Amino acid sequence: DTEVTQTPKHLVMGMTNKKSLKCEQHMGHRAMYWYKQKAKKPPELMFVYSYEKLSINESVPSRFSPECPNSSLLNLHLHALQPEDSALYLCASSQVAGASPVVLGRTDTQYFGPGTRLTVL
Amino acid sequence: KQEVTQIPAALSVPEGENLVLNCSFTDSAIYNLQWFRQDPGKGLTSLLLIQSSQREQTSGRLNASLDKSSGRSTLYIAASQPGDSATYLCAVNTGGFKTIFGAGTRLFVKA
Repeated sequence: DTEVTQTPKHLVMGMTNKKSLKCEQHMGHRAMYWYKQKAKKPPELMFVYSYEKLSINESVPSRFSPECPNSSLLNLHLHALQPEDSALYLCASSQVAGASPVVLGRTDTQYFGPGTRLTVL
Repeated sequence: KQEVTQIPAALSVPEGENLVLNCSFTDSAIYNLQWFRQDPGKGLTSLLLIQSSQREQTSGRLNASLDKSSGRSTLYIAASQPGDSATYLCAVNTGGFKTIFGAGTRLFVKA
């Protein structure tokens, strides 16, 4: 099974709302990612968790708060978003490979979920 | 800083044609390179992954090559079909859990 699931598929929220995006994988992958993708642009990395610890935060505003409760789940908590945050949010997972996996951060095939289409009004 | 470029940005071909998509990267110190397909509004589907020690990978009608020293990869699609219409993205893994994506090539295969 190479499936990454994401819920919800679509989300519309106001600027004062609090919502969460969820991602799940059961492939035993120890790296999980959040990407943001605007129309006709490539995905932009937001966060990476490795072995349930935050490894990368690409200077993402604090209104986005990631959480990795266990090795299969990844959440993205949203609060006080802006209209420009409207985008497709993609979750991905991969194996961590090679010697010194946490130090080197080398990963194999990334598997992506279908995404959550977020609209902020 | 690693930069990934894909040429052409868009391509339209008749059904049955063989085609090549190009990807170039500025820093040859990569761990692997991955090709993805993305349909409009959908997630990314992994097509092929080439490790830095490999020269090519094949899957069905797809063949990806890697020339690390020159910073280039190509994705060859044989006997294209309308169902191949999508955006194709290449991405390099540089270590440090970072993957750098190219902007993609939008492919349209006409029936």
